[in-house]
Amino acid sequence: SQTIHQWPATLVQPVGSPLSLECTVEGTSNPNLYWYRQAAGRGLQLLFYSVGIGQISSEVPQNLSASRPQDRQFILSSKKLLLSDSGFYLCAWSHIGTATYEQYFGPGTRLTVT
Amino acid sequence: AQSVTQLGSHVSVSEGALVLLRCNYSSSVPPYLFWYVQYPNQGLQLLLKYTSAATLVKGINGFEAEFKKSETSFHLTKPSAHMSDAAEYFCAVRASGGSYIPTFGRGTSLIVHP
Repeated sequence: SQTIHQWPATLVQPVGSPLSLECTVEGTSNPNLYWYRQAAGRGLQLLFYSVGIGQISSEVPQNLSASRPQDRQFILSSKKLLLSDSGFYLCAWSHIGTATYEQYFGPGTRLTVT
Repeated sequence: AQSVTQLGSHVSVSEGALVLLRCNYSSSVPPYLFWYVQYPNQGLQLLLKYTSAATLVKGINGFEAEFKKSETSFHLTKPSAHMSDAAEYFCAVRASGGSYIPTFGRGTSLIVHP
């Protein structure tokens, strides 16, 4: 069976500090990978998605970036955090072999920028 | 283009009462439809999906949803609410043959009273 991991689970960082969130998927190969953000009381905002190693598409221009150094690894980064970067970050994957492409989500990372 | 509207940001029911969460979609081609549940501080979990095989879809935890093309709806129901059903519920749509990225609704918070 497939499993998706995210770490850390919670993070408190000062404004201007760097960020690195990691997501890994087990039990599948060549998944589509996604980063979402949930601000408090709001819905899901798609940040980045990737269809393969080194292939990143950005949905929202911001001070965040994403990388996919390995097939099942997806990293979200920032050089300098802003207060507005606070939120709940979710990684998700979908299988390219299905017609429905339903997404499966990780447990999330709660980021608080102070 | 595709879109999802979830009617009611909050729905309150008594334990044992019927749960009805509303979702209307817009899609220019036959859609794939999904319901997800999110418990506090957790990722989203797939409840059920519609793939055109059957209009009444049964999911986990006793939930089901009915696809009604004429009403462009995909409402989620459960005959008897349990306290453990209290969570955020998201409806999502993806156009068949289109982008593999779904469009999510803004979510409905289900509150269950004892």
